[in-house]
Amino acid sequence: AQTVTQSQPEMSVQEAETVTLSCTYDTSESDYYLFWYKQPPSRQMILVIRQEAYKQQNATENRFSVNFQKAAKSFSLKISDSQLGDAAMYFCALPRGYGGSQGNLIFGKGTKLSVKP
Amino acid sequence: DTGVSQNPRHKITKRGQNVTFRCDPISEHNRLYWYRQTLGQGPEFLTYFQNEAQLEKSRLLSDRFSAERPKGSFSTLEIQRTEQGDSAMYLCASSGLTVNTEAFFGQGTRLTVV
Repeated sequence: AQTVTQSQPEMSVQEAETVTLSCTYDTSESDYYLFWYKQPPSRQMILVIRQEAYKQQNATENRFSVNFQKAAKSFSLKISDSQLGDAAMYFCALPRGYGGSQGNLIFGKGTKLSVKP
Repeated sequence: DTGVSQNPRHKITKRGQNVTFRCDPISEHNRLYWYRQTLGQGPEFLTYFQNEAQLEKSRLLSDRFSAERPKGSFSTLEIQRTEQGDSAMYLCASSGLTVNTEAFFGQGTRLTVV
């Protein structure tokens, strides 16, 4: 069975500092995507970054980058130069099943990130 | 197009009543998904449509739940004979057909069953 595990229910970071959110997963697929979504309070979930499993290079989107370790089935999110607007729930997600569409997802339980001014 | 729209944003209902939620996806998106999210948890997949066809339903979708997407445009999710355990945020998302297309989420409908 496919699973996504986020072991950090809450994290806190000082503004302008760097924080890393952890995610481990399990899948029998060899080719898949992995995602980090951000859900601010009372606002919709938005895609932060995605990684294609067959690509060895870690994905980067501005201040957000991932450390993808395929053999270890680990997919962590690094936020650099943290800003107050980064405060949100962050979810790691994996498409369900072979060739699963990018909207048919298994989510972790999330990590609540607080940013201190 | 302003994104995925869900209505109502909030719904309070008495136990045993029926409720219906609506989702308007991004207009060119063929796929539409429904999720349920309870407090402190990640979203859980309920069902999804490709155009008007309902292609997959989760075991979470009991007989009291039904979803439709007539004409492949908006979708409705109905819960009959609501129970307190149905209290949750119901999220809708939509995406295109290609493998690398991103899914976009709506703001959700928060259901409270009293």
